[in-house]
Order: sequence, then C-alpha cells, then structure tokens
Amino acid sequence: GESVGLHLPTLSVQEGDNSIINCAYSNSASDYFIWYKQESGKGPQFIIDIRSNMDKRQGQRVTVLLNKTVKHLSLQIAATQPGDSAVYFCAGVTGRRNTPLVFGKGTRLSVIA
Amino acid sequence: EPEVTQTPSHQVTQMGQEVILRCVPISNHLYFYWYRQILGQKVEFLVSFYNNEISEKSEIFDDQFSVERPDGSNFTLKIRSTKLEDSAMYFCASRVEADLPGQPQHFGDGTRLSIL
Repeated sequence: GESVGLHLPTLSVQEGDNSIINCAYSNSASDYFIWYKQESGKGPQFIIDIRSNMDKRQGQRVTVLLNKTVKHLSLQIAATQPGDSAVYFCAGVTGRRNTPLVFGKGTRLSVIA
Repeated sequence: EPEVTQTPSHQVTQMGQEVILRCVPISNHLYFYWYRQILGQKVEFLVSFYNNEISEKSEIFDDQFSVERPDGSNFTLKIRSTKLEDSAMYFCASRVEADLPGQPQHFGDGTRLSIL
C-alpha cells in the first residue's frame, strides 16, 4: 500500500514570503501525486498534481517538485497570502483506475500578517 | 465551477440509530468515493464506487456501512447502527473518467456527524 507522510506538522510564514511544504512517500510504484488544501470546515481542495515522469510543475503561485530518487515532493507557494492559511496534504496514487487517495496528516500553514 | 455537494452539513444522531449521508457528485463524473476525517486526524478512505458497484473498501467500511447510487445524481452512505466512534467529518469525492491523465478527485465540504 501507499504510505505518505509529512515532515512538519506546522509552518508559520510572514505574509509575502515564500512557503515550502514537504512530503515523503514510501511506495516507489506511485506514479501520480496530488496536493490538496483544506481550510477550516471545508473539504480538501485540489491545488496541483504531478505525474512521476516529471520533476517540476508550476501553477499559479504554486510549484510542485518531485524527487523520485529520495521519494520526496514539495509544494512551494510564492508570495504567501493570509488566504493560504490552511492544512496542506499530499497524496500519492498508483496507476490503477480507481485508486483511493492515501493522505498524510497534513501541514498546517499559518500566515502572519 | 461544478462542485460536489453534500447534505446535511451537520447531522446529530443518537447512538444505535441509522444515518444516511447524501452527496451529489459532479455531473459528468463516474467514480465516487467516501472518506472520513476524525477530528484532528488525517483523511481516511472508506469506499470507492464505479459502475453501480463497490470497487474497493477499507477495513473501516464494515457491515454497518453501505453505499448506494439510487438515481442518476445522488450517492449515499448509510451507517446502519451508529457508534460513538463514527463521529467524524464524512467527505464525498468524485472523479471523471480515469482514462484522462491527472484527473484528481474533487471533494465536497463534508457532513459533520455527531453521535450522542
């Protein structure tokens, strides 16, 4: 099965600074990774994903980096804003069609104004 | 943007009672899921559903749980005889046809289930 975990449970950053949230995974067969954001009282919200044949993918203010050698991925948020305060989860899946997501405990990002 | 909607947002039930949580997945999605999140813990997979049958289920999804797609839009989770430890947030998710690469699961905002 998949085991996904996060290095730090909490992260505090100043508004305007860049944030980096890290995640380690154990299943080398994982071929697709997703970052979700969960705000208080809401469901996980898709942020960005990356396939294992890539090492970097950029979205709007977010970048995901994948290092398959050390089974590590990170989410970088540029110019962090108060609205970015949330819990961030990574999830890994294999190529099976209906794979359930396996979440880690998450990193709580707090943005200091 | 299309959303997964869940009702009710909060359900309070006496222990031993049956409860039905309802979800309306995104209309063109074909894969459906239920997850739960006990307060302060990680999101855990319960069950996946495709083509009117369960595809996969976790150890949590025991005989007290069942899922149904009674019509073309709703997807329900039933807990037959609730226990105190069933108190959690329950999230429904759906996903479009999996032949398209990188199609993530989209989540609803959950139903908070409180068992008294």
